[in-house]
Amino acid sequence: KAGVTQTPRYLIKTRGQQVTLSCSPISGHRSVSWYQQTPGQGLQFLFEYFSETQRNKGNFPGRFSGRQFSNSRSEMNVSTLELGDSALYLCASRGGGRNNEQFFGPGTRLTVL
Amino acid sequence: AQSVTQLGSHVSVSEGALVLLRCNYSSSVPPYLFWYVQYPNQGLQLLLKYTSAATLVKGINGFEAEFKKSETSFHLTKPSAHMSDAAEYFCAVSDGTGGFKTIFGAGTRLFVKA
Repeated sequence: KAGVTQTPRYLIKTRGQQVTLSCSPISGHRSVSWYQQTPGQGLQFLFEYFSETQRNKGNFPGRFSGRQFSNSRSEMNVSTLELGDSALYLCASRGGGRNNEQFFGPGTRLTVL
Repeated sequence: AQSVTQLGSHVSVSEGALVLLRCNYSSSVPPYLFWYVQYPNQGLQLLLKYTSAATLVKGINGFEAEFKKSETSFHLTKPSAHMSDAAEYFCAVSDGTGGFKTIFGAGTRLFVKA
């Protein structure tokens, strides 16, 4: 079974631009969560999507948004990029049941100049 | 609200020595607890998880953790460290309900000396 894939792996943008990151979950997984990882703040939860609906949201400004498609693939968008948005963005998918195990992708390294 | 505290941002052990990484949690409901490992430039890999079955949980690569409700702890141990264990380790908690949300600790970087 293929794992969680994220594209692109690396991205360089400038302040004020916007960016879209993509995540393909493990086949059959309907839940996709996004996390931001930085040296200063650690791993912070952005949001979770389940069956195309945002089910949970972290404490991030409205510049961060996401969506999920009918095939469970998810995209995350950040508008009006700031230097502080430079981070590793991780996506995780989860299957059904109550074991709540998440499988993480390799991440997208975003650098904002 | 749930929270996780990992004691020690850096831990250094000698190869062959005991590894002990500490994690304390706070949760208003019976928690699901996890330990993940992250190698440089990679995503997180699940080491083990506690889901209210046995309190001593065995994971991959020789790691295990014990859930102690009275101490609200879920410390990670390995009897004998190997050089390949050098990585960052994250403890995480989830309440397991719908609207799934996992809270991660700040992480502990493990160094293994030859």
